[in-house]
Amino acid sequence: QVHLQESGPGLVKPSQTVSLTCTVSGGSISSGGYYWNWIRQPAGKGLEWIGRIHTSGSTNYNPSLKSRLTMSVDTSKNQFSLKLSSVTAADTAVYYCAREVYSGSLVGWGLGTMVAVSS
Amino acid sequence: QSVLTQPPSASGTPGQRVTISCSGSSSDIGSNYVYWYQRLPGTAPEVLIYRNNQRPSGVPDRFSGSKSGTSASLAISGLRSEDEADYYCAAWDDSLSGWVFGGGTKLTVL
Repeated sequence: QVHLQESGPGLVKPSQTVSLTCTVSGGSISSGGYYWNWIRQPAGKGLEWIGRIHTSGSTNYNPSLKSRLTMSVDTSKNQFSLKLSSVTAADTAVYYCAREVYSGSLVGWGLGTMVAVSS
Repeated sequence: QSVLTQPPSASGTPGQRVTISCSGSSSDIGSNYVYWYQRLPGTAPEVLIYRNNQRPSGVPDRFSGSKSGTSASLAISGLRSEDEADYYCAAWDDSLSGWVFGGGTKLTVL
């Protein structure tokens, strides 16, 4: 069974770029032709979809974040990553990664990694 | 503010039937499948219902989903204490070309 685990710096200063990584275990990230998604949840609020990347490298980004967002896949490390630039306090949230399977379901969510933006 | 609208809370007593609503628009629920996710305390979200009314293997048939127009519902019958969790609806949004979620409903079993 495929499991995902997010990792990140924890604390980031305003205007900086935050880099997050999702490590895939139990299967190869390059097999199956799946989409790999990022979702976040600010404290006390609902889930917000950030974007997704296909194993081919094609991406879909949330328009509200598109100008600041870059996603990539590293098949050699079985990981995919997110970079969000010019962060503000509004980017403070728990960030999750998940695999999108053929039914459209988002599965294998990690427990999330907290990103706090503060000086 | 979430794109899909859910009640922030719901409650019921053991054995009861509860429903959680999810309201959207023509570009999301009205055009695409609805998914429901359950997040038990301290765990990662897991898919509970996919493609409006399909249950993944292992999900009890006490859980059911339905969709009509731009709204959807999750029903839980024979409520149990272990059903106490946060529930989220989701759908693909054609105008966003991305996933949209509800704000989540916290279910309390009294």
